[in-house]
Amino acid sequence: QEQLVQSGAEVKKTGASVKVSCRASGHTYIHWVRQAPGQGLEWMGIVNPSGGTAYSEKFQDRVAMTRDTSTSTVYMELTSLRSEDTALYYCTAAAHLDDAEYFQHWGQGTLVTVSS
Amino acid sequence: DIQMTQSPSSLPASVGDTVTISCRASQNINNYLGWYQLKPGKAPRFLIHGASTLQTGVPSRFSGSGSGTDFSLTISSLQPEDFATYFCQQSYSTPYTFGQGTKLEIK
Repeated sequence: QEQLVQSGAEVKKTGASVKVSCRASGHTYIHWVRQAPGQGLEWMGIVNPSGGTAYSEKFQDRVAMTRDTSTSTVYMELTSLRSEDTALYYCTAAAHLDDAEYFQHWGQGTLVTVSS
Repeated sequence: DIQMTQSPSSLPASVGDTVTISCRASQNINNYLGWYQLKPGKAPRFLIHGASTLQTGVPSRFSGSGSGTDFSLTISSLQPEDFATYFCQQSYSTPYTFGQGTKLEIK
């Protein structure tokens, strides 16, 4: 069973960057999904077992997802933070089921608060 | 991007009730539809893939149906632990997109 343990809450100033970590016990496809207060879930991107990435166009210019295989840790860095980036950020391990990809295991979430 | 529209956004119900949540895709997604349960302070739970296949450990009172653009999640004989927010998600193409969520509340 995939275990995902995320880093703790962060408070950042507008314009700063944040880097959230996710320790994943297996070598799997890791996605990042966020949920802003009172909003739905939003897919941000994926990092595959070899470190390849694909990002949502919305975040393409501001996000970087990386993988450190020596520590089984995946990172999501978001730059040029604005107040709208205040959200709960989840890492999630994908399962490939019946020709499609679903979010099978989830981390506990990392709250990122952005203020001026 | 594929838009996912869920209804209702809020659903008051009582223990023992049967409820249905609807999810509509803006284009045909075959059956590439998943359902998730969210509770405050807990990691989201993956319930259903392929529109109707329950994950291991999910009670049989949960069921999903649909194909193409229209889908539904039905929970029979509601239990206290079922009061949560439910999201549908399309896995047909990236960017993967979710419905806005349905909050199942105690009436």
